[in-house]
Amino acid sequence: ILNVEQSPQSLHVQEGDSTNFTCSFPSSNFYALHWYRWETAKSPEALFVMTLNGDEKKKGRISATLNTKEGYSYLYIKGSQPEDSATYLCGGHSGSARQLTFGSGTQLTVLP
Amino acid sequence: NAGVTQTPKFQVLKTGQSMTLQCAQDMNHNSMYWYRQDPGMGLRLIYYSASEGTTDKGEVPNGYNVSRLNKREFSLRLESAAPSQTSVYFCASRVRQGVNEQFFGPGTRLTVL
Repeated sequence: ILNVEQSPQSLHVQEGDSTNFTCSFPSSNFYALHWYRWETAKSPEALFVMTLNGDEKKKGRISATLNTKEGYSYLYIKGSQPEDSATYLCGGHSGSARQLTFGSGTQLTVLP
Repeated sequence: NAGVTQTPKFQVLKTGQSMTLQCAQDMNHNSMYWYRQDPGMGLRLIYYSASEGTTDKGEVPNGYNVSRLNKREFSLRLESAAPSQTSVYFCASRVRQGVNEQFFGPGTRLTVL
């Protein structure tokens, strides 16, 4: 089972601030890295699936980068809004494992 | 197109009772998964089915069994519920194993007294 770690565990920011958080994973035998957004009382929804070293993906104000050589991915939110408040989960997938292993998530609260 | 559906939404059981959580997807996905979510622990994989006719253990399979009834349906059974199984259970599916996003159901909140 892949060891996926996320930091920080929780984060409070003011509306309009930009923020970022980290997902770390073992760099050996890396296959894919997933980011999901999980709002309270809802189910997780996929943001990005990333595979290549140096990958950068963007969806609106949210973007992510991937460094497979050093084993980390950053998720950035530009100009945070209250509706961005959610838990952001990352999941790692190694070449030998057919299933994702998720980190414990970063809980983001954007204060108006 | 309902996506991934789960029944029931809520359930309360007494220790020792059994029950089956149902999951169905209408996206013609090959792979299906059962996770449990506990505070501070993210999502932990219980069992998965990479394709119709196959099932495999995940990280926390003890106390559970699964059945991949057909391509659409993947059920999770608790034979003798224990308080440690109090959790929120999520079913998910994806096209197949590999670089594909997972789609999650709405969850089942289970309490074992």
